[in-house]
Amino acid sequence: AAGVIQSPRHLIKEKRETATLKCYPIPRHDTVYWYQQGPGQDPQFLISFYEKMQSDKGSIPDRFSAQQFSDYHSELNMSSLELGDSALYFCASSAGTGVDGYTFGSGTRLTVV
Amino acid sequence: AQSVAQPEDQVNVAEGNPLTVKCTYSVSGNPYLFWYVQYPNRGLQFLLKYITGDNLVKGSYGFEAEFNKSQTSFHLKKPSALVSDSALYFCAVHHLSGTYKYIFGTGTRLKVLA
Repeated sequence: AAGVIQSPRHLIKEKRETATLKCYPIPRHDTVYWYQQGPGQDPQFLISFYEKMQSDKGSIPDRFSAQQFSDYHSELNMSSLELGDSALYFCASSAGTGVDGYTFGSGTRLTVV
Repeated sequence: AQSVAQPEDQVNVAEGNPLTVKCTYSVSGNPYLFWYVQYPNRGLQFLLKYITGDNLVKGSYGFEAEFNKSQTSFHLKKPSALVSDSALYFCAVHHLSGTYKYIFGTGTRLKVLA
């Protein structure tokens, strides 16, 4: 079965550089969520989109932005990267509000050096 | 405010023994509760959910969870642990209040010893 696809799997960037993470949801899923998981920490909600509109916003820094495109894929853009941005970034998708559960991608591991 | 608590950072259990991973929640109204499992460098995988109905919910890989409204708990259980169950387990609450996100607990690392 198709899963949530995230690219790239690994990314190494220097401080102050920019990064773009991509997420392709399961077909017919219209809601996408982004989470950040630091080492040994629980996933922290960043932002979500429903039908290409931002539906909720969490602890996303102003240096980050995201959008959902017409094909429902989403991109997380991160600028002026800091060492503390090093983390595993997960995307998840769901149909509607997600009360039936989310499907998570395998994540993008971002390392800022 | 909604919150989820997992009081144990780590749970150790011998293979073949029953296991329990604890979760308590605080949310107004009726909660939607979930358990997810995370293996190293992998995304979270859905195990089971409670929306309504029977308090005992059965999920993937032989796991089950019991919803207890009076104790505001949703503990994850398995009658006989396997070494392959060793992973990080997250409890999550999804409150249908017009928002589109889960609130995750801090996670419990389960270690099943052979």
